Amino acid sequence: EIVLTQSPATLSLSPGERVTLSCRASQSVSSYLAWYQQKPGQAPRLLIYDASNRATGIPARFSGSGSGTDFTLTISSLEPEDFAVFYCQHLYTFGQGTKLEIK
Amino acid sequence: EVQLVESGGGLVQSGGSLRLSCAASGFTVSSDYMSWVRQAPGKGLEWVLVIYSGGSTYYADSVKGRFTISRDNSKNTLYLQMNSLRGEDTAMYYCARGRPYSSGWPYYFDYWGQGTLVTVSS
Repeated sequence: EIVLTQSPATLSLSPGERVTLSCRASQSVSSYLAWYQQKPGQAPRLLIYDASNRATGIPARFSGSGSGTDFTLTISSLEPEDFAVFYCQHLYTFGQGTKLEIK
Repeated sequence: EVQLVESGGGLVQSGGSLRLSCAASGFTVSSDYMSWVRQAPGKGLEWVLVIYSGGSTYYADSVKGRFTISRDNSKNTLYLQMNSLRGEDTAMYYCARGRPYSSGWPYYFDYWGQGTLVTVSS
C-alpha cells in the first residue's frame, strides 16, 4: 500500500507570499497524483491532477510539479481565499493534509 | 452541470445500520467510477469504497464485510449501506466521481457532493 506524506503539517503565511507544499509517496506513482483544497465546512475541491494539470476553473497561481515519489503544489501569490487545508491523493490513498493559515 | 447530492445521514446507535444516498445529475453514475470518501471530525480524508463502471467493487479493510456500495441506474443514484456501525465510523461522508487518467488507470476525484454527517453513539 502506498503511503503519501505531506509536509509541513501547518504553514503560516501572509497574502501575497509564495508557498510550496510537498507530498512524498512511499513508492513511485509516476505522475498519477492529484491535489485538493478543502475550506472549513466545505467539500474538497480538485485543484491539480496528473501532477501538473490544473482542473477546470482553477486560477493560474496554482501549479503542480513532480513525478515518481516527490511532488509539489505551488501557489505563486497567496490570495485571502486560498487559506485552507490541502491534500494530495493517489488512487485509494490521501496524504494527511497541510493546513495553510494566515499569519 | 455535474452535481452530487448526498442524504441519509444522522444519529445511529453502535451496532445499527444506515443507508446513505447520492443523487447524481449532469452525468450517468453507471458510466463512471463512484466512490465514498469520509472524514472524521477534525481529521483528514479517508477513501472508503468504490464501484466501477462495470459493476465491480472494492472496499477499504476498515469497512469490508460491513459496508456495501450499490447504484440504481434508473434513478442515477449511488448508495452506501452501512451495517454494524462503530464509533470510529462517525464522519462526514462524501460521494465523489472518479475520473481515470488518460492511460485509463488510476483515477482522481473531479466532483464531490456536499457530504452527509453520520454520528454513531455508544
